[in-house]
Formats: sequence, C-alpha cells, structure tokens
Amino acid sequence: SQTIHQWPATLVQPVGSPLSLECTVEGTSNPNLYWYRQAAGRGLQLLFYSVGIGQISSEVPQNLSASRPQDRQFILSSKKLLLSDSGFYLCACRGPSYEQYFGPGTRLTVT
Amino acid sequence: AQSVTQLDSQVPVFEEAPVELRCNYSSSVSVYLFWYVQYPNQGLQLLLKYLSGSTLVKGINGFEAEFNKSQTSFHLRKPSVHISDTAEYFCAVDQTGANNLFFGTGTRLTVIP
Repeated sequence: SQTIHQWPATLVQPVGSPLSLECTVEGTSNPNLYWYRQAAGRGLQLLFYSVGIGQISSEVPQNLSASRPQDRQFILSSKKLLLSDSGFYLCACRGPSYEQYFGPGTRLTVT
Repeated sequence: AQSVTQLDSQVPVFEEAPVELRCNYSSSVSVYLFWYVQYPNQGLQLLLKYLSGSTLVKGINGFEAEFNKSQTSFHLRKPSVHISDTAEYFCAVDQTGANNLFFGTGTRLTVIP
C-alpha cells in the first residue's frame, strides 16, 4: 500500500519569503499526485494535480506553483508568500480504486 | 457540473447514541463515492468507499454508508458513537473518468460524554 511523506510538518515563514514543500510517495509507481490546501475551519481546496513527471495541472490561479521532477516526488513552491497562503497543505496519491491516500500534512503559518 | 453538499457543518451527539452525517451529490454520470475522517492536525483517512454492487457499504471504525441513486445521497451512519469518533468528516465524489475527487465542505462531529 502507498505511504506518503510530507515535510516539513510545520513551518513559520515571513511574508515575501520563498516556500518549498516536498511530498514523496512509496509503494506505487506512476501515481496521480495532488496538492490540497485547507484553510482554518474550512474544506479542502485542490491546488494542483499531476498525472506524470513534468505534467502539472493548476486548479486555482495564485502565487503558488508545483513541480514533479521524479515519478514519486511532488513539490509545492512559491517565490513570495502572502498572508493568505497560511493553511494546512496536504499531498495525496490516487489509489487503484479511485480513492486518494493522504499524507500527514504541513502546517504553514505566514507572519 | 459536479458538486457535493454536506448540509450539516456541525453535529453534536451524546456518547453511545446513533449518528447520521448527510451527503448529497449532483452529477450527470456515474460516480464513485467516499467518506474520509480527519482528526486534528492530521491528514485524511479513508473510512469507506462505494464503487458498485451492494448499496450498503461497511467501513472502518464501525461506520457504514448507503448509496441511494434516486436521491443522489450517500449518508454515513454509526449505531453507537464513541468519544474517539470526534473529528471532521468529508464526503467525496469521483466522477467516472475524471482525475480528481470533489470534496464536500465537511461535517464536524462532536461526541459529548
């Protein structure tokens, strides 16, 4: 079964600083990968998904970007963070029956 | 367009009482349906899924859900809740052939001792 790793677990960054969040997947190959954001007390917002290396689809226009340099690695980045980027970021991997498996998440606070 | 509605944002219930969390969806094609649970500061964990076959689906932690195609619903139930069931619950829909899940806004279940 798939195991999803995310790091860091928590991050506090000042406004205007860059961001890099990493997600890696074990136990599967060529998976569909997803980045979600969850604002405080709210549901999940799909940010990006990828069906393969170098293939990124953006769901929401914003100052974030994603990259997939390797089959089981998915990176979320920003050149300049905004206060509104604070939230809980979740990486997910699609399973064999259309379900998604989630990582433990990264709590980002922009100050 | 596809959408998922969880009508109740918060559901308080006493320990050992039954609970039902409601989920309705809209889609013009066949769908796959899921329920997830999220404990504080953790990722989402799959509770159960409906792909085809029997409309009553049993999941982990004693939860079950029933798919009702005519009412486009997939309500989650548990006959007797525990304190440890306190969490956020999300309903999700995968439209056949799509790459993504569509999530509801979540229902916060609070079990009262």
